[in-house]
Amino acid sequence: ETGVTQSPTHLIKTRGQQVTLRCSSQSGHNTVSWYQQALGQGPQFIFQYYREEENGRGNFPPRFSGLQFPNYSSELNVNALELDDSALYLCASSWGLAGEYEQYFGPGTRLTVT
Amino acid sequence: AQSVTQLDSQVPVFEEAPVELRCNYSSSVSVYLFWYVQYPNQGLQLLLKYLSGSTLVESINGFEAEFNKSQTSFHLRKPSVHISDTAEYFCAVVRGGGATNKLIFGTGTLLAVQP
Repeated sequence: ETGVTQSPTHLIKTRGQQVTLRCSSQSGHNTVSWYQQALGQGPQFIFQYYREEENGRGNFPPRFSGLQFPNYSSELNVNALELDDSALYLCASSWGLAGEYEQYFGPGTRLTVT
Repeated sequence: AQSVTQLDSQVPVFEEAPVELRCNYSSSVSVYLFWYVQYPNQGLQLLLKYLSGSTLVESINGFEAEFNKSQTSFHLRKPSVHISDTAEYFCAVVRGGGATNKLIFGTGTLLAVQP
């Protein structure tokens, strides 16, 4: 059974550019959540996708957008990058939406905006 | 809305000593509680969770946490730590019975085990 994978591992972008981060969910999981973890902070919920539909969004501006594909993999897109977007972006997948369903995290993508 | 407070940003401890990492939460509804561990340059791994039933939950590597509803706490303990326990520990909550399992995390506690 393959766990959650994310690509790329590291990324360096310039302010104002756009970036796409990718996540492959664990086999059988239909729910993907994205989190932003700034240095020295706990992860912050960005949004969640369930069966290709967005199911909840955290306090992030519209330039953060996402997609979930029929195979339940997902993308996180960030437009007009700002310096404060520098962070570790974590993807997590689960069997469903219920609170008792454990979320399995990928290793993250480290984004640096200069 | 739910929130999580981890008052200790860093806890230094000697190997084989006991440790307690504190976690308090606030919520007007029932919650599920989790502890995650993050090793350097890695993602998060679930350490243990409380959903219902016995208020004392244990992990396979010797950690335990106790849900205390009256004190809204979910402190993590280990009677004897190892060097390999050095990591960042995050307490998190999920709203019970809701339509999402989004996690709300605390700011984390760095457990630094010294020889």
